[in-house]
Amino acid sequence: DTAVSQTPKYLVTQMGNDKSIKCEQNLGHDTMYWYKQDSKKFLKIMFSYNNKELIINETVPNRFSPKSPDKAHLNLHINSLELGDSAVYFCASSPYTGGGEQFFGPGTRLTVL
Amino acid sequence: DQQVKQNSPSLSVQEGRISILNCDYTNSMFDYFLWYKKYPAEGPTFLISISSIKDKNEDGRFTVFLNKSAKHLSLHIVPSQPGDSAVYFCAASEGIGKLIFGTGTRLQVFP
Repeated sequence: DTAVSQTPKYLVTQMGNDKSIKCEQNLGHDTMYWYKQDSKKFLKIMFSYNNKELIINETVPNRFSPKSPDKAHLNLHINSLELGDSAVYFCASSPYTGGGEQFFGPGTRLTVL
Repeated sequence: DQQVKQNSPSLSVQEGRISILNCDYTNSMFDYFLWYKKYPAEGPTFLISISSIKDKNEDGRFTVFLNKSAKHLSLHIVPSQPGDSAVYFCAASEGIGKLIFGTGTRLQVFP
């Protein structure tokens, strides 16, 4: 009965590859997010979606593309992976857009070699 | 430009005593503040929050204080327990759901 789940938990890949991280929430929330925690432990928002509509799009390379097939899922596709993409990626959800608590998944540690 | 700052990277407290974690922010438009707790290899877990219209919110052993004039908030944990040992992040929001996180404070509670 995991609230926010992500797959895979670990992802090791070569530079130049394309990879995806999946996120699902069973909380019935309308809004989902992707955050990146870099090597310095800064946790920064990348995207948010509300009912499949893009709400927040921070300054993120266009190699990163979120896709929301329905409001319970928000996947992150990354093309042409670079060394600097190595980080922990967290998915989160909240009942609505506009503040309030966000509930985080366990994270996906991406290592680009 | 770090809008939310946690200037103490670590804090060590004896079990049973009070832990005080501090957070400063620069953006006066922030209207909601949150504290998260994070264990290694896990996602952040929500602890407690406070709206900008309040100056205190309490939940069990956890109390958050907000001083808007000083742009400062703090989290008090009393009494501290060994299970509280984790990294604590403060976060701020300005209404569109975008959380701005601090860099975290590692709390260690020793017996």
